[in-house]
Amino acid sequence: EIVMTQSPATLSVSPGERATLSCRASQSISSNLAWYQQKFGQAPRLLIYGASTRATGIPVRFSGSGSGTEFTLTISSLQSEDFAVYYCQQYSSWPPYTFGQGTKVEIK
Amino acid sequence: DVQLVQSGTEVKKPGESLTISCKGSGYSFTNYWIGWVRQMPGKGLEWMGIIYPGDSDTRYSPSFQGQVTISADKSISTAYVQWSSLKASDTAMYYCARRAISTPYFEYWGQGTLVTVSS
Repeated sequence: EIVMTQSPATLSVSPGERATLSCRASQSISSNLAWYQQKFGQAPRLLIYGASTRATGIPVRFSGSGSGTEFTLTISSLQSEDFAVYYCQQYSSWPPYTFGQGTKVEIK
Repeated sequence: DVQLVQSGTEVKKPGESLTISCKGSGYSFTNYWIGWVRQMPGKGLEWMGIIYPGDSDTRYSPSFQGQVTISADKSISTAYVQWSSLKASDTAMYYCARRAISTPYFEYWGQGTLVTVSS
């Protein structure tokens, strides 16, 4: 089973600032990585797939990069609605298609 | 529009059985894998398993194999997760989600079903 490790666990950022979230895979997953956003009390929402492709309707301030074992989600200028928990998920090897443990982005 | 509508909140006692459901609409239900994801209170997302309603091909995470049964009824565009004997540790929010057609990330999610198991 591929283990996904996200860092940091919590990221404190001021509105308008840049946020950089990391996700590491225990073995190479090529670009088979998705990012999801989960706001409190809501279902997750797909943000990024293929490591760097934004899903439909996702603002351009969200960007993804990386391949192999190291991946990054960047939010260029945090808006109030972006404070949430973010999860990465590998879909290179199954079952299962494992998730990371999440990074909480909170208001500084 | 694609929609996944899940059944409502459940409160059960340990040892009881339970089936929760996820009804898909706005797309061809038989042509897309439907997965289930567990989220225990205050915790992260766990991939449980997935089913292809077209032929009922089902795959489980090793962590959930033998603990739950995933099924689907394509005649009513509904997927299910079933427990035969609930434990307190099954207390969680359960989400269904539809896979993209050619790649395995989850494009669409249900609203979640909260299951509470308590004596």
